[in-house]
Amino acid sequence: AQSVTQPDIHITVSEGASLELRCNYSYGATPYLFWYVQSPGQGLQLLLKYFSGDTLVQGIKGFEAEFKRSQSSFNLRKPSVHWSDAAEYFCAVGDPGGYQKVTFGTGTKLQVIP
Amino acid sequence: SQTIHQWPATLVQPVGSPLSLECTVEGTSNPNLYWYRQAAGRGLQLLFYSVGIGQISSEVPQNLSASRPQDRQFILSSKKLLLSDSGFYLCAWSGLADFTGELFFGEGSRLTVL
Repeated sequence: AQSVTQPDIHITVSEGASLELRCNYSYGATPYLFWYVQSPGQGLQLLLKYFSGDTLVQGIKGFEAEFKRSQSSFNLRKPSVHWSDAAEYFCAVGDPGGYQKVTFGTGTKLQVIP
Repeated sequence: SQTIHQWPATLVQPVGSPLSLECTVEGTSNPNLYWYRQAAGRGLQLLFYSVGIGQISSEVPQNLSASRPQDRQFILSSKKLLLSDSGFYLCAWSGLADFTGELFFGEGSRLTVL
């Protein structure tokens, strides 16, 4: 069964500092990988996705993520965090075998301090 | 363009009362439909998903049920609510014919069971 682990429940960074959110997945082959962001009381918005090809993917709002097969990881990065980036971030894995199932991690809540 | 509507946005119900949350999608045909629950500190838990009318897959044994009476309508129900049913419920859809795992979420329904 596919699974996703986000080891950091809560992260605090200063505005302007760099950010890396960790994500590890478990899947028998190369899955589809996603990062979503959720503002308080809202639904989720897709930041970026990886299906195949270039292992470094660019997303919206200046985010990027790198797929590392050897480490089963898909970490999210941003070189300079803005106060508006404060939100909860979810990593997710989809089954390219057509099973139609998407599994989410438990999320990382990002706090940005001035 | 595609849109997803979910209602009610907020619901306060007594223990033992019934529940009905509705979700409809516009602007697409034959979507995959999903119900997720988000409880504090537990991330997004997949409850049900559907690949077609009347086709429901349950991920977690629980006090809830789902139905898909029409192609773009997905309903989450309970006959008797428990305290543990409290949470933030999110409906989502994805493309069936070209499934990539990318989900599009509604704004969510916050359920409080007292």
